[in-house]
Amino acid sequence: DVVMTQSPDSLAVSLGERATINCKSSQSVLYSSNNKNYLAWYQQKPGQPPKVLIYWASTRESGVPDRFSGSGSGTDFTLTISSLQAEDVAVYYCQQYYTSPFTFGPGTKVDIK
Amino acid sequence: EVQVLESGGGLVQPGGSLRLSCAASGFIFSSYAMSWVRQAPGKGLEWVSVISSSDYTTFYADSVKGRFTISRDNSKNTLYLQMTTLRVEDTALYYCAKGGGGSRYSHLDYWGHGTLVTVSS
Repeated sequence: DVVMTQSPDSLAVSLGERATINCKSSQSVLYSSNNKNYLAWYQQKPGQPPKVLIYWASTRESGVPDRFSGSGSGTDFTLTISSLQAEDVAVYYCQQYYTSPFTFGPGTKVDIK
Repeated sequence: EVQVLESGGGLVQPGGSLRLSCAASGFIFSSYAMSWVRQAPGKGLEWVSVISSSDYTTFYADSVKGRFTISRDNSKNTLYLQMTTLRVEDTALYYCAKGGGGSRYSHLDYWGHGTLVTVSS
């Protein structure tokens, strides 16, 4: 199975500052035939279901604010919130959908400092 | 508006069975893969299973393989999860989620609010 790890486990950032979350997969999730990374990022706020933010590692879902961006390739990926807003307090998960089982990372909790 | 609505959760004894349903609307159900993801109380997300849109190919997490069966009825726009030989560790909120495409290999772009399964004696 592909093991997904995330760092840090949690972080606190001041409003308006940058938040960076890292995700690493135990094997590459880049499919060479189409040059796509099978990696998504989700945001889960308390008491709510997850919401997709980013897929194919860097494609922003429709309606997601452009302060959210995804980058990386192969085994190392990053979710960046360029200017943290109060409504961004949540747990963020990465997920690979390259090979079954389509594993999630353990999550990173983001709070306001 | 895309909607997925789970039902069928409840309290069941260890070793028991339960069938979850997910009613979908607002999109062409037969064109998209569908998945189940669960979340134990206070824990992270665990992917459970996926079924493709048309050839009904399925994948399962190792933790449920042989005990859970995912299926779909495209005529009823409904996804199912038949769960047997339930264990205490299957206790979780079970989410139904729509795939971003017809292939099993896609992200999850719409999620329901979940149905709670509690396995306890």
